Amino acid sequence: ELKVEQNPLFLSMQEGKNYTIYCNYSTTSDRLYWYRQDPGKSLESLFVLLSNGAVKQEGRLMASLDTKARLSTLHITAAVHDLSATYFCAVVTDKLIFGTGTRLQVFP
Amino acid sequence: DGGITQSPKYLFRKEGQNVTLSCEQNLNHDAMYWYRQDPGQGLRLIYYSQIVNDFQKGDIAEGYSVSREKKESFPLTVTSAQKNPTAFYLCASSPGTPSYNEQFFGPGTRLTVL
Repeated sequence: ELKVEQNPLFLSMQEGKNYTIYCNYSTTSDRLYWYRQDPGKSLESLFVLLSNGAVKQEGRLMASLDTKARLSTLHITAAVHDLSATYFCAVVTDKLIFGTGTRLQVFP
Repeated sequence: DGGITQSPKYLFRKEGQNVTLSCEQNLNHDAMYWYRQDPGQGLRLIYYSQIVNDFQKGDIAEGYSVSREKKESFPLTVTSAQKNPTAFYLCASSPGTPSYNEQFFGPGTRLTVL
């Protein structure tokens, strides 16, 4: 059974600091998504990573994919309060398998 | 505007009742999905449909039923057999199979059992 694990599950960080969220998965896949979810809201697509070595950046967020290590990272640079949300990775096999999510809280 | 709509936004159900959640899309997508999200957890797949008049069970289909009579619509019925239905339900669609196509999500329905 495919497992998708994120860590940390909860992250409280100060504005201006950097941090990385990790997404490990247990089977072969070369396609992975990162989503953002605000409380009580739906999922917003952040990044689509389509191949080994893929790197994408949008603002203060950068995502990468290493299919050989079965690992994706979401790096946060100089965090701001507006980034506070829950972040999910999702791995594609014949369906989409979601990680448990990382709840990010950015404080002044 | 193209997109996915879900209704109602909030739904309250008494124990023993069946309720139906609506999902409509005007993106001309072939595939549609239903997910359940419990507090502090990721999404789990309930049912999916890749074409009209055909659908498959996901990982947690027990106590749920669906239909796909039209391409645009994929309603989910939560039956009385679902013992713990209180959750946030998300509908999604994609142009084709999830292996090659990104899924787009609706705004969700929050179901509470009284």
